[in-house]
Amino acid sequence: AQSVTQPDIHITVSEGASLELRCNYSYGATPYLFWYVQSPGQGLQLLLKYFSGDTLVQGIKGFEAEFKRSQSSFNLRKPSVHWSDAAEYFCAVGAPYNTDKLIFGTGTRLQVFP
Amino acid sequence: DGGITQSPKYLFRKEGQNVTLSCEQNLNHDAMYWYRQDPGQGLRLIYYSQIVNDFQKGDIAEGYSVSREKKESFPLTVTSAQKNPTAFYLCASSMGQDSNQPQHFGDGTRLSIL
Repeated sequence: AQSVTQPDIHITVSEGASLELRCNYSYGATPYLFWYVQSPGQGLQLLLKYFSGDTLVQGIKGFEAEFKRSQSSFNLRKPSVHWSDAAEYFCAVGAPYNTDKLIFGTGTRLQVFP
Repeated sequence: DGGITQSPKYLFRKEGQNVTLSCEQNLNHDAMYWYRQDPGQGLRLIYYSQIVNDFQKGDIAEGYSVSREKKESFPLTVTSAQKNPTAFYLCASSMGQDSNQPQHFGDGTRLSIL
């Protein structure tokens, strides 16, 4: 069964600094991988997804993520954080062509200081 | 605009009362899902439905019930058997199995006990 771990519960960065949020997964083959963002009191918005092919995927709002099979990781990055990026970020893993059973990580809360 | 509408945004339940959360989508998606979100625990799947008149239990179905009489609608009932219902409830939809399309989320319903 697949699982996903987000080791950092809470991260604080200064505006303009770079950001990397960690995500590690456990799955027997190459899974489908997703990053979602959630603002307070809102639903989840998809930032980006990886299914196959190029291991560096670009998403919305200037985010990117890199799939590293050897490390079972799918870390989210942004070169320069804006105050509006403050939110909670969730990594999710699913089996290929069976995204009914997504497994979500426990989330990383990002705080941005001016 | 296509999307998922959850109502109400806030809901209060008295002891021994059943309450129903509404979820409607106009994305023409086959699959719909209900998640429960508690602080520090990420999202946990309650029920999901891949097609009209059919649904499956997720990881935490006890104390909840659903119906799927129409493709667009997937209401969730929190029954009196659910002893700890206070949480944020998220509805999602997707193209379903055999699809590489991600899940799309509504803005959630926050349920509290009176």
